[in-house]
Amino acid sequence: DAGITQSPRHKVTETGTPVTLRCHQTENHRYMYWYRQDPGHGLRLIHYSYGVKDTDKGEVSDGYSVSRSKTEDFLLTLESATSSQTSVYFCAISGTGDNGYTFGSGTRLTVV
Amino acid sequence: QKEVEQDPGPLSVPEGAIVSLNCTYSNSAFQYFMWYRQYSRKGPELLMYTYSSGNKEDGRFTAQVDKSSKYISLFIRDSQPSDSATYLCAILKAAGNKLTFGGGTRVLVKP
Repeated sequence: DAGITQSPRHKVTETGTPVTLRCHQTENHRYMYWYRQDPGHGLRLIHYSYGVKDTDKGEVSDGYSVSRSKTEDFLLTLESATSSQTSVYFCAISGTGDNGYTFGSGTRLTVV
Repeated sequence: QKEVEQDPGPLSVPEGAIVSLNCTYSNSAFQYFMWYRQYSRKGPELLMYTYSSGNKEDGRFTAQVDKSSKYISLFIRDSQPSDSATYLCAILKAAGNKLTFGGGTRVLVKP
């Protein structure tokens, strides 16, 4: 995926442990987003960022926190992972005046 | 009620058929309309983008928007097995920059 990388691609973790997912972009885009995708629910926005240190909640933000200390990196942290957070997580980016998103390849997270 | 509704399918068609996909939305503030294609185990990729009522064509793909009915459609002509994927509609409000997605329709084009 051009200019956007997610890591790790796959992760299995235990209930109660903290987990951090990373999104890295080389496009210098202002906006970054974290979505989760689940069967029957489609893509749901967790958190988004509109600039360095500027973040806001999406529709399913409980149990998640984010940080953006530099333009290129947007971190998603599950503070204490639960089985309900087993999902595929997608990061997306968009530029100012650019209404289309570019998505990463996703992180498949399993909480056991 | 979800802001954007989309039939989950699956929609199975023979190769060469026309695929017809649609979404309805509830909020008249939505101004920009997109279709994304997502292959299995991949991220969504932008297919079509429009901001006005009417039709927009790009090769075998036609996006149609009817703002008065709050209804958007995607047509795929001469469908190919490589078109087998999940298609997601996505809508953007005029203010802010957060996309709202439909749940996606899975399409299978059989050779």
